[in-house]
Amino acid sequence: EPEVTQTPSHQVTQMGQEVILRCVPISNHLYFYWYRQILGQKVEFLVSFYNNEISEKSEIFDDQFSVERPDGSNFTLKIRSTKLEDSAMYFCASKERGFFNEQFFGPGTRLTVL
Amino acid sequence: SQQGEEDPQALSIQEGENATMNCSYKTSINNLQWYRQNSGRGLVHLILIRSNEREKHSGRLRVTLDTSKKSSSLLITASRAADTASYFCATDAVARGGYQKVTFGIGTKLQVIP
Repeated sequence: EPEVTQTPSHQVTQMGQEVILRCVPISNHLYFYWYRQILGQKVEFLVSFYNNEISEKSEIFDDQFSVERPDGSNFTLKIRSTKLEDSAMYFCASKERGFFNEQFFGPGTRLTVL
Repeated sequence: SQQGEEDPQALSIQEGENATMNCSYKTSINNLQWYRQNSGRGLVHLILIRSNEREKHSGRLRVTLDTSKKSSSLLITASRAADTASYFCATDAVARGGYQKVTFGIGTKLQVIP
């Protein structure tokens, strides 16, 4: 069964460093998403991406964040200058066209900012 | 209350008992989904119920949706110790610009005691 994959599974970085989290969505999916979950809290929407552009973003998704689909298969989330409070689990998701289709989530990348 | 708010926030039951978790939401939705998350792990999709459906079954899971009350329930029958996890409802609605956004609740922590 096709699945969303994410790399790395765990990333440790120093405050102020740039990180890139990578996702490979399911191949025929058209909508792509990033979410984050701070330890012990709920999953929060960050951004949705369709047709090579951001379609929706939350207030969390500020200028420090960017997304890209560089080669038609990968979908990346970049955090330019990490802060301690960026430490969280980051989930990628993808979805087929259609309102009644579910989002498929990847296993997540745990980001630890020291 | 927040979109996709579950209750109870924590539930402890004996193995073999049924577990019922509720979710309320505020805005109109296309779908409502339930996810499971084991501690520190990824999100596992359990079941999706469309806004025009009232009940759905999958194995030991039964989900109901009442759009007039903007609420849903997840029933796990004959619970097992392996069902111990956090359970989240997620509402899938049309956001600004016509694009979809999934909003997660804070979750119910279920503990099944062997």
